[in-house]
Amino acid sequence: KNEVEQSPQNLTAQEGEFITINCSYSVGISALHWLQQHPGGGIVSLFMLSSGKKKHGRLIATINIQEKHSSLHITASHPRDSAVYICAVSTGGGADGLTFGKGTHLIIQP
Amino acid sequence: EAGVAQSPRYKIIEKRQSVAFWCNPISGHATLYWYQQILGQGPKLLIQFQNNGVVDDSQLPKDRFSAERLKGVDSTLKIQPAKLEDSAVYLCASTRRNYNEQFFGPGTRLTVL
Repeated sequence: KNEVEQSPQNLTAQEGEFITINCSYSVGISALHWLQQHPGGGIVSLFMLSSGKKKHGRLIATINIQEKHSSLHITASHPRDSAVYICAVSTGGGADGLTFGKGTHLIIQP
Repeated sequence: EAGVAQSPRYKIIEKRQSVAFWCNPISGHATLYWYQQILGQGPKLLIQFQNNGVVDDSQLPKDRFSAERLKGVDSTLKIQPAKLEDSAVYLCASTRRNYNEQFFGPGTRLTVL
């Protein structure tokens, strides 16, 4: 069974700051997902990656397969980035259920 | 493209009562998942369907939870009888076959009193 650990659990920062959220997992994976969840809202997929780095707007996700570690970065953070960011992994080929971390609650203050 | 639909959005019941949730996945998505998210925790997989067959239900409490996906499209998740610890958000997600990005519905928030 894969264990997914995220840090920090809670993060409060000022608008404009560079944000880093970390994720580590215990066994080999086929893909790692970063997802965003707003209070009372559904979950939105941000990235799915199995190697290297992906960028979308101000969001950057990296993964190091050897170290079983991934990071999510937010550049020039904005209050609308306030949400829970969740790391999840899938371990099989094809479609399979995700194992989730507990999430990082991010608050960006104006 | 329409997203994953779920209903109801909210449900309040007494313990020992029964409840059912409905999910309509994105058209053409063969794989459907039900997750349970307890407050303050990440979601936990309950059951995965591939078309109308069960792929993984190892974490489904089968003494009280059941799920079906008739005709490989819509799915229902039932709890009978409900316990206090079943209070959670129940999320449905779907994905194309052999394509790992999952699309989530808005969830059903269940409160058991």
